Amino acid sequence: GAGVSQTPSNKVTEKGKYVELRCDPISGHTALYWYRQSLGQGPEFLIYFQGTGAADDSGLPNDRFFAVRPEGSVSTLKIQRTERGDSAVYLCASSAGGFTDTQYFGPGTRLTVL
Amino acid sequence: DAKTTQPPSMDCAEGRAANLPCNHSTISGNEYVYWYRQIHSQGPQYIIHGLKNNETNEMASLIITEDRKSSTLILPHATLRDTAVYYCIVRVYRDDKIIFGKGTRLHILP
Repeated sequence: GAGVSQTPSNKVTEKGKYVELRCDPISGHTALYWYRQSLGQGPEFLIYFQGTGAADDSGLPNDRFFAVRPEGSVSTLKIQRTERGDSAVYLCASSAGGFTDTQYFGPGTRLTVL
Repeated sequence: DAKTTQPPSMDCAEGRAANLPCNHSTISGNEYVYWYRQIHSQGPQYIIHGLKNNETNEMASLIITEDRKSSTLILPHATLRDTAVYYCIVRVYRDDKIIFGKGTRLHILP
C-alpha cells in the first residue's frame, strides 16, 4: 500500500525566497507530524496536527515557519525568507491515532538554501 | 533533550546477532521504550516498542531490564540491509512527538 509521500524530493532555493514542502500522509491517518533533520543529527520535531488543527507547534523555530492541513489530509510546510541555516531534510510522518500510534515516515524533502 | 544514551557506533558480522544497548535511567513509569532505525537517505522506520515485558516481532526483539533503566535491541541474524542508524527513544504512549537523540550507527560487516 501507499506510504507517506513528500514532494519535492529535493528543493534548491536562494536565501530570502519562499518555499512550500508538501506531505501526503497514509490514507485515513488522522495525525501528521513534521520533523527537520540536519546532517549527522536525529530528526527534530517541528509541529503535529490532529485532523485539521495544529495540536502542538512548539518545535517551530520562529515565525518564518508555518504549516497547514486544511482538509485533514495533505499538509504543507511553508518557510518564508529562507536562510542558509534552514538547509536540512524535512521529514513528514503520519499515524492512525487511536490505540496504535506508530509513526510512519516519508522519505523527506532535502532543502538547500544557497 | 533525548532521555537515552546510546553508543555512537557499533560493528556486527553478517549473520550474527546484533545487540544494541540503550540506557534510559530516568525513564518514568508511564514511558515506553521505542526503537526506530534510519537507513541512509530514507525516513525513520519503526521497529518495536515495549513497556516492561520483553517484546518480539518479525524484525527484532526488545529486552528491557527489570528496573527499566536500560534495554537492548536484538537483530537475530543481521544482514547488510540492517546497516542503519538505530534510535532508542522513551516516550509516553501516544505522546504527540518523538524526541530523537543521535542514535547508534550500526555497520554490518560482510
